[in-house]
Amino acid sequence: QKEVEQNSGPLSVPEGAIASLNCTYSDRVSQSFFWYRQYSGKSPELIMSIYSNGDKEDGRFTAQLNKASQYVSLLIRDSQPSDSATYLCAVTGTYKYIFGTGTRLKVLA
Amino acid sequence: GAVVSQHPSRVICKSGTSVKIECRSLDFQATTMFWYRQFPKQSLMLMATSNEGSKATYEQGVEKDKFLINHASLTLSTLTVTSAHPEDSSFYICSARDPGIGGVSEQFFGPGTRLTVL
Repeated sequence: QKEVEQNSGPLSVPEGAIASLNCTYSDRVSQSFFWYRQYSGKSPELIMSIYSNGDKEDGRFTAQLNKASQYVSLLIRDSQPSDSATYLCAVTGTYKYIFGTGTRLKVLA
Repeated sequence: GAVVSQHPSRVICKSGTSVKIECRSLDFQATTMFWYRQFPKQSLMLMATSNEGSKATYEQGVEKDKFLINHASLTLSTLTVTSAHPEDSSFYICSARDPGIGGVSEQFFGPGTRLTVL
């Protein structure tokens, strides 16, 4: 079992819809969780961090964390074509980040 | 968020030469920096963790004598690809951990260096 799992996609959503990206992790002692966005040919960009159970909202983005289920998700409201990218989930281990392989999101105009 | 720079952004070199890539944290001190490699359409692969003032910790399968890492100050880490070969052609990305407030740290990436070895 991979330490951090994401569906590789592509996940296609129409413009204006809600995109839902999911991530599960295997290490129960993980404390910090992050979502990064990576455009093709570019490096990852941090968009959200979440540390406690529940929801955290920042603009059109909402991160949701459920430590009991070892599940973290990212919702993107009012999706725009510019949101089309690969979204990486990251979980902190003992000292380093463990990244998922990413979910490719396509927002269709 | 915090800013991490990386230089050069792109380099083309001949097989057998060495290439040095610099990673700098511009507005914070980073005791820990990370070096990743990413091949086209693949995920990030952690190569090594660089700690200021001590030897880097390399991931399994990464040759420490080929990928030399130096973290001489709290704002600068360098990766030197020695005797580069075409199979070393990849996108190399550094990141730095911002200690943040209250012990919660976030990791910020540099813009990456695209290495092409002819």
